[in-house]
Amino acid sequence: TQLLEQSPQFLSIQEGENLTVYCNSSSVFSSLQWYRQEPGEGPVLLVTVVTGGEVKKLKRLTFQFGDARKDSSLHITAAQPGDTGLYLCAGVLTSGTYKYIFGTGTRLKVLA
Amino acid sequence: DAGITQSPRHKVTETGTPVTLRCHQTENHRYMYWYRQDPGHGLRLIHYSYGVKDTDKGEVSDGYSVSRSKTEDFLLTLESATSSQTSVYFCAITNTGELFFGEGSRLTVL
Repeated sequence: TQLLEQSPQFLSIQEGENLTVYCNSSSVFSSLQWYRQEPGEGPVLLVTVVTGGEVKKLKRLTFQFGDARKDSSLHITAAQPGDTGLYLCAGVLTSGTYKYIFGTGTRLKVLA
Repeated sequence: DAGITQSPRHKVTETGTPVTLRCHQTENHRYMYWYRQDPGHGLRLIHYSYGVKDTDKGEVSDGYSVSRSKTEDFLLTLESATSSQTSVYFCAITNTGELFFGEGSRLTVL
């Protein structure tokens, strides 16, 4: 069992729809990140959140860190085919280290 | 793009043989990582290094060893490969907390 569980595991939606991806744990994280990975490539960082309750926006993407720093969500507004990919959350359990563990991943497909 | 090179990029081997994957960086980053990626598991941390000769186990370290004798190289060794170690292996580096990844090494153990 991995410390960071993501849901849903798969998501297929039409262009223009909204969606939310969740990243949950029973452990407290000192910081949490979201990455996107495209086929044949390594993940690329989207955002880092460090404060409980923090909300960050990146164009149509909204990221939230839970108040207790045990969970996070990624909301995409008006999804586009270019949003297709594998979304991964990653967190640091021990403050002062960069020992990142990743979530189980959410594979998103946006249909035109 | 961060200068990270993984080698080999593809390898097919037989059960019981030793395998070494190499990660080479030209960025002088302090931290280096080895992850494996399997369907339904996202990325799982095997080992990471926080400096030359300083390493720590990750979530799935059994069956793997690592070495870092200089800043730029981080080696992952499978002493006796098993079919359960068939996977895509990613190296990553960081100095600031933003992880930069290599292109991955696909290992198949028959």
